[in-house]
Amino acid sequence: QVQLQESGPGLVKPPETLSLTCTVSGGSISRSRYYWGWIRQPPGKGLEWIGSIYYGGNTYYNPSLKSRVTLSVDTSTNQFSLKLSSVTAADTAVYYCARHTGLEYAFLVWGQGTLVTVSS
Amino acid sequence: SFELTQPLSVSVALGQTATISCGGDDIGSRNVHWYQQRPGQAPVVVIFRNSNRPSETPERFSGTNSGNTATLTISRAQAGDEADYYCQVWDTSTVFGGGTKLTVL
Repeated sequence: QVQLQESGPGLVKPPETLSLTCTVSGGSISRSRYYWGWIRQPPGKGLEWIGSIYYGGNTYYNPSLKSRVTLSVDTSTNQFSLKLSSVTAADTAVYYCARHTGLEYAFLVWGQGTLVTVSS
Repeated sequence: SFELTQPLSVSVALGQTATISCGGDDIGSRNVHWYQQRPGQAPVVVIFRNSNRPSETPERFSGTNSGNTATLTISRAQAGDEADYYCQVWDTSTVFGGGTKLTVL
């Protein structure tokens, strides 16, 4: 049973870069043809997809965030990562990592989420 | 960009049937997925690809998708069904509906 766990700073200052890592346990990123995604949820608001990365390295981004987002996969540590640059208070949210089997497919496995606050 | 429209809130009497809609241009031609999110928890998929239930989802949950509206139906609503529900599709990027808060009275 694969499990995902987000990790990273809970507080980021504007306009620095937010960096989060999702550790995959119970399965290998490099041996499975999955997509690995990031979704965020501002306090009291709805879900927003940030982007997804295929195990082979292809990336897909939300157009509204594309200029600030970088996704990567590290098969040696079985982790994938999110970097969001030039953050503002509007980027304050719970950030989730999740797994799906294709871009048109549902996110069937989610991490528990981590709250990131952007504040000086 | 593609937009999905959900009612902000839906109320249902205990034991009755709740329906939550998700509107979008020709959404019937796309695969729609539904998530349940309880307070303080991560979303959990309850319906995938329009009408398929994960093994963990009770049979009381069902989904349909046709034309410009996808619908999540919850039969015999229970107190434990109170949650936020989100629909999701892929259209050159992943799009979520704004979410619907289900209240069981």
